[in-house]
Amino acid sequence: AQSVTQPDIHITVSEGASLELRCNYSYGATPYLFWYVQSPGQGLQLLLKYFSGDTLVQGIKGFEAEFKRSQSSFNLRKPSVHWSDAAEYFCAVVPITGFQKLVFGTGTRLLVSP
Amino acid sequence: EAGVAQSPRYKIIEKRQSVAFWCNPISGHATLYWYQQILGQGPKLLIQFQNNGVVDDSQLPKDRFSAERLKGVDSTLKIQPAKLEDSAVYLCASSPDRSYEQYFGPGTRLTVT
Repeated sequence: AQSVTQPDIHITVSEGASLELRCNYSYGATPYLFWYVQSPGQGLQLLLKYFSGDTLVQGIKGFEAEFKRSQSSFNLRKPSVHWSDAAEYFCAVVPITGFQKLVFGTGTRLLVSP
Repeated sequence: EAGVAQSPRYKIIEKRQSVAFWCNPISGHATLYWYQQILGQGPKLLIQFQNNGVVDDSQLPKDRFSAERLKGVDSTLKIQPAKLEDSAVYLCASSPDRSYEQYFGPGTRLTVT
């Protein structure tokens, strides 16, 4: 079945440490790929997107993501986490065939410890 | 540029009551979406409008939910009657024509008691 999987429900990272959030997808053809962030009480904000081309994508707030076709993954990374990065992170896809709607993973909650 | 506006931000109702949410998208955005986000889950698309026409409402529980987009701008989402399982955050988003980038409003948190 077509799906987007974020295997980590919660992740705790110390401030200043590096971060990697995992996302895997299961689609016949590589979909368009997105990462969104949702801070408490806020709507979702687009961090970055991948449609084609360079597999390392730079986004806002110092985030980047790497597309790996062989692993059907699109992991989000940040070299040094700040306390303000504590939020819920959602991986999402738009299939390139069929009805092209945004499909979200279940999210990963990031906690930042001092 | 003003973002997507939603109101109210919070609403508490009893089951079997009715409720309505309002959304004003970013000016010029042709496509408008309503999502339901249940606690601990990712947002789920309820309905998508292209201008004032419905593109997809396959996930909308039509026996109790309805939505309209008047004049291709503002939109309202209504629930009548509400059930306990409707407790969720209702997110509105908009996007420019032919774009996959969606811009989200702050959401309305609905609690049904």
